[in-house]
Amino acid sequence: DTGVSQNPRHKITKRGQNVTFRCDPISEHNRLYWYRQTLGQGPEFLTYFQNEAQLEKSRLLSDRFSAERPKGSFSTLEIQRTEQGDSAMYLCASSFGKQGLGGYTFGSGTRLTVV
Amino acid sequence: DQQVKQNSPSLSVQEGRISILNCDYTNSMFDYFLWYKKYPAEGPTFLISISSIKDKNEDGRFTVFLNKSAKHLSLHIVPSQPGDSAVYFCAASLDYNNDMRFGAGTRLTVKP
Repeated sequence: DTGVSQNPRHKITKRGQNVTFRCDPISEHNRLYWYRQTLGQGPEFLTYFQNEAQLEKSRLLSDRFSAERPKGSFSTLEIQRTEQGDSAMYLCASSFGKQGLGGYTFGSGTRLTVV
Repeated sequence: DQQVKQNSPSLSVQEGRISILNCDYTNSMFDYFLWYKKYPAEGPTFLISISSIKDKNEDGRFTVFLNKSAKHLSLHIVPSQPGDSAVYFCAASLDYNNDMRFGAGTRLTVKP
């Protein structure tokens, strides 16, 4: 068990390009979350999967954002037609069951810079 | 709508002294409150939590206090160590959904 793995660690892209990030959760965790963190702010919830089903989406997740977890294991987050405002750290987290008092396990994040 | 607020962006304490990090919230329906610690270039790490039905939870050097009437919680670290230097996030969630709300974080520096 190597924890939650996110790739790539850094991504620089030109405005208007599409980008895709990958998250590999802890293997026995059935729940997977995506968060976004901008400078000086705490993480903000984007979306949540239980197994392969996407059960919750934040209003922050515009139509340009799509997330998948096809086999209930790894997940991808795609941003189409990137904008400068998309520049942020994208964090993935996982848990077994509801996080309740136990918290999530976060990955180290993918830092996106849109130029 | 920022439902969880950490009004102190930074805190500096001397090694061996107490560190007190504060957090305020607006939603009285929150069921769980959590503290995460974040080192540079790493994701947040879960530290300690408390249920809304309790007013104190202790784990080693870390104690979280919850004052529901004031909608306030605090994290006490005693004694503080240089390795505690990190950004601390307060978070809160409802039992029926998975949208955990985070504060903006407080950067703690513990000086040797």
